Amino acid sequence: GAGVSQSPRYKVAKRGQDVALRCDPISGHVSLFWYQQALGQGPEFLTYFQNEAQLDKSGLPSDRFFAERPEGSVSTLKIQRTQQEDSAVYLCASSLAHSAGELFFGEGSRLTVL
Amino acid sequence: QKEVEQNSGPLSVPEGAIASLNCTYSDRGSQSFFWYRQYSGKSPELIMFIYSNGDKEDGRFTAQLNKASQYVSLLIRDSQPSDSATYLCALNTPLVFGKGTRLSVIA
Repeated sequence: GAGVSQSPRYKVAKRGQDVALRCDPISGHVSLFWYQQALGQGPEFLTYFQNEAQLDKSGLPSDRFFAERPEGSVSTLKIQRTQQEDSAVYLCASSLAHSAGELFFGEGSRLTVL
Repeated sequence: QKEVEQNSGPLSVPEGAIASLNCTYSDRGSQSFFWYRQYSGKSPELIMFIYSNGDKEDGRFTAQLNKASQYVSLLIRDSQPSDSATYLCALNTPLVFGKGTRLSVIA
């Protein structure tokens, strides 16, 4: 596709449920990033991949968060045993190269945990 | 102290005026600086980047960087109502974002 595609766009989960958020980056983009954006805040870095390698996962808030990109293209962010504080928009972005600051963002997945 | 600091605003300017958005950062080793614009309910999009001290102009936008003062700013000339958005300062790789400044341009 022409841009970064994320699904689902909206997800409502009951506390304790597991969720999976998908990101399909721009074709040919080597780097893929996940950010979490709470209402009224800037995006907070979670993790990034260069091809299939997860090079930095320092922003993942707890071991309930897990991300993968097994074939160096599509990525999945999984959140286990969701908590209310996990409610946020999860943004995926891709770029041509790791050192490039021009990130192309998807529309985001809005997660609401009840 | 958060790595990137921005005044959350809102900053209100009349149409046609210059809007000045400011950002300070704590990491003296930072090398690359970016301004993203985020419309309400939308995802961020890159407006400008700057790597060297001084000014960089692109159309109505000017980015200014002062590494000694750890300060980066964005000027928007001839502000338009369509410029109303949140402006995010970001630096380094992977990008670290400020919380953004909400700009409102009043017609």
